[in-house]
Amino acid sequence: DGGITQSPKYLFRKEGQNVTLSCEQNLNHDAMYWYRQDPGQGLRLIYYSQIVNDFQKGDIAEGYSVSREKKESFPLTVTSAQKNPTAFYLCASSEQKNTGELFFGEGSRLTVL
Amino acid sequence: GENVEQHPSTLSVQEGDSAVIKCTYSDSASNYFPWYKQELGKRPQLIIDIRSNVGEKKDQRIAVTLNKTAKHFSLHITETQPEDSAVYFCAARPDSWGKLQFGAGTQVVVTP
Repeated sequence: DGGITQSPKYLFRKEGQNVTLSCEQNLNHDAMYWYRQDPGQGLRLIYYSQIVNDFQKGDIAEGYSVSREKKESFPLTVTSAQKNPTAFYLCASSEQKNTGELFFGEGSRLTVL
Repeated sequence: GENVEQHPSTLSVQEGDSAVIKCTYSDSASNYFPWYKQELGKRPQLIIDIRSNVGEKKDQRIAVTLNKTAKHFSLHITETQPEDSAVYFCAARPDSWGKLQFGAGTQVVVTP
């Protein structure tokens, strides 16, 4: 069953702690993305990667970091520098050579206590 | 960079009526305009899209129109059904590949 898997689905973190969200895809897509979803603000791009070992900052990259060591994996670390980390995080992937339709994971909800 | 504005933020319609959501974009280079539907607790999924060389596209009860001159595009849902209740996001692509700029979303509620 092809698709994108995010884990964990729910995560609680204390202030000052880093946390890493996992995103794995078996669609053989080149591009992967991380979006943050807040009520009334749509989907805002955090980081994206077009190929392995390369990634670019999106619109709201401050306080986040990523890596792309394998084509199928694009983990997101929410660092203690992120001032308002409580949010719903969505990972997505797409082929580069077609329309660029995004295929989303089911999301991870992070709550900072 | 590209900026996409979406209206209204909430839309309540009676079952069977039509719903219209409007979006404007700022970057005249944008050439691809998809619409995603996110049902409660689920992932966003593409429902329809349009390219800048086309003015209108239909797929059963949904249609999208694009006005390049005015830089706006709209989603039309006819004969709404309860399963149309969801958050709808418009988006615009300013580059030649998949990076999208999303609107803030419209919560559509279809009441029986």
